[in-house]
Amino acid sequence: GESVGLHLPTLSVQEGDNSIINCAYSNSASDYFIWYKQESGKGPQFIIDIRSNMDKRQGQRVTVLLNKTVKHLSLQIAATQPGDSAVYFCAEISYAGGTSYGKLTFGQGTILTVHP
Amino acid sequence: DTAVSQTPKYLVTQMGNDKSIKCEQNLGHDTMYWYKQDSKKFLKIMFSYNNKELIINETVPNRFSPKSPDKAHLNLHINSLELGDSAVYFCASTQNEKLFFGSGTQLSVL
Repeated sequence: GESVGLHLPTLSVQEGDNSIINCAYSNSASDYFIWYKQESGKGPQFIIDIRSNMDKRQGQRVTVLLNKTVKHLSLQIAATQPGDSAVYFCAEISYAGGTSYGKLTFGQGTILTVHP
Repeated sequence: DTAVSQTPKYLVTQMGNDKSIKCEQNLGHDTMYWYKQDSKKFLKIMFSYNNKELIINETVPNRFSPKSPDKAHLNLHINSLELGDSAVYFCASTQNEKLFFGSGTQLSVL
């Protein structure tokens, strides 16, 4: 079936470095993508989103890039800090059966560890 | 003033028991979800309700029965618990595609 996945399950960086987390998706009909951050013992938290009519979107220290040609999504974190250590998920919204109710499907998740 | 709150946070029980997890959101959202996160951190949707009506029901054993008494609440009842039900269960709500998650209920079936 359709799926959203990640290339790297773990990423270890030094504080101050830039981090890049990648995600591949297979549902070409998806038009909305979201990155979530999950800290230990907490629920996933929204970071940034992007629609399929965009290639790039920037937030505070984070940038999401979307390449629809190769169905690839990435999250860039600038000047990574220890507080950025968490599991990061990409997710896509699909609308099945012609309904307006979206189903959020998550990818595998990448564990980001930031060393001081 | 937690936006999405679920109880209990931890639930330890024996195989064969019946248990419930409660979820409430004070965001005024119409749509609520239950997700299951396994030991490998994979998040899988289980159910979705919109204004008390079931709209998404993934391939989940019928031992799992969601109940939505009103649009601010979505409870999850699980009958005849099995070892494989051990996981973290997350409730979430949404209005405009952005999901807001609760802090999770860690269920351990012994």
